[in-house]
Amino acid sequence: KAGVTQTPRYLIKTRGQQVTLSCSPISGHRSVSWYQQTPGQGLQFLFEYFSETQRNKGNFPGRFSGRQFSNSRSEMNVSTLELGDSALYLCASSWENEQFFGPGTRLTVL
Amino acid sequence: QQQVKQSPQSLIVQKGGISIINCAYENTAFDYFPWYQQFPGKGPALLIAIRPDVSEKKEGRFTISFNKSAKQFSLHIMDSQPGDSATYFCAAKQGGKLIFGQGTELSVKP
Repeated sequence: KAGVTQTPRYLIKTRGQQVTLSCSPISGHRSVSWYQQTPGQGLQFLFEYFSETQRNKGNFPGRFSGRQFSNSRSEMNVSTLELGDSALYLCASSWENEQFFGPGTRLTVL
Repeated sequence: QQQVKQSPQSLIVQKGGISIINCAYENTAFDYFPWYQQFPGKGPALLIAIRPDVSEKKEGRFTISFNKSAKQFSLHIMDSQPGDSATYFCAAKQGGKLIFGQGTELSVKP
């Protein structure tokens, strides 16, 4: 099976802009989670989607949002970008307890 | 609030030695404890995982030891190899989200 794919791999934006990141889970996996990874805060949970419904949400401001489509593909959106949003954004595809991560999208906010 | 504490932050081991990384958790609602390995520029890769009703799990050179009463678990890498040099994360799962430790940077010297 193909692994989790994320697009784009790299992104440079300026403060105030918005960004949309995409994730395609492993075929057959219906749950997708998003995480933010930074050197200072480590890996932090953003949200989880299952069958197009947000099932869990982490402690991030409302500027961070997501959605899941009927084919299980997911997108996350960050509006009004801040310098502190620079991070590696990781998508994970789940099967029962196991979560499998994609390569991530490296977002740089200037 | 850091719910999963990981130590040490960095570890240097000679080739053939044993690498040991420890984690402690607070929330007894956690029901699954995976370990991830991450190489630079890559997403975390699931290495091995354990449920809280099991005290030890071994897969090849990797072993998880789990102490439910002490709320601690550890990863042992036997016969460590230079190719094992990476960052290792412990995690604890509650519902659909993973809470990660801060990571351990392992360097295996030839």
